[in-house]
Amino acid sequence: GENVEQHPSTLSVQEGDSAVIKCTYSDSASNYFPWYKQELGKGPQLIIDIRSNVGEKKDQRIAVTLNKTAKHFSLHITETQPEDSAVYFCAARFRSGGSNYKLTFGKGTLLTVNP
Amino acid sequence: NAGVTQTPKFQVLKTGQSMTLQCAQDMNHEYMSWYRQDPGMGLRLIHYSVGAGITDQGEVPNGYNVSRSTTEDFPLRLLSAAPSQTSVYFCASSRETANYGYTFGSGTRLTVV
Repeated sequence: GENVEQHPSTLSVQEGDSAVIKCTYSDSASNYFPWYKQELGKGPQLIIDIRSNVGEKKDQRIAVTLNKTAKHFSLHITETQPEDSAVYFCAARFRSGGSNYKLTFGKGTLLTVNP
Repeated sequence: NAGVTQTPKFQVLKTGQSMTLQCAQDMNHEYMSWYRQDPGMGLRLIHYSVGAGITDQGEVPNGYNVSRSTTEDFPLRLLSAAPSQTSVYFCASSRETANYGYTFGSGTRLTVV
């Protein structure tokens, strides 16, 4: 079945350090991998995504890498700031029957950036 | 644009009561879905819809009904509330069946006592 494993569940870093969150997925046919940031009391917000025809994508201090062979993808945040503190979710797109698809989410990583 | 609007933001129900969580989007998105978020469990898919008149079950559909009579609205109905349905519920929409980033609503925090 569809499964997304996310590690670590909690991550604490010093301001200015880098943070890396890793996810693995079960279906080699998955082709879309978004990352979401959820601040306390709010809904998740898309921060970056990657498709299976690309190995890496960057947006300022955030980057995502994808290894299709190993079926894993990672979120990299450089020069972390206190406002990066939040819960981060990875997700993968799976076929749910016929021509329908759905996103399955990892269980989340609580990132704390200490000043 | 308002994006995805969920109402109410908070609700307390007694066991056995029914209610409807409302979700509306103004982006003309075809794809809409409902997730529940529980501590340590991440986001789990309840039901989803790929367009008006079409709905399907997700990972945890029991105890919930949905309908999609218009592109804009996707209400979630709790038929007979149970304490196990205490959770935060999120509605999300997307341009195409899960092939683009979701836009999430701000959530409904439901407590069943």
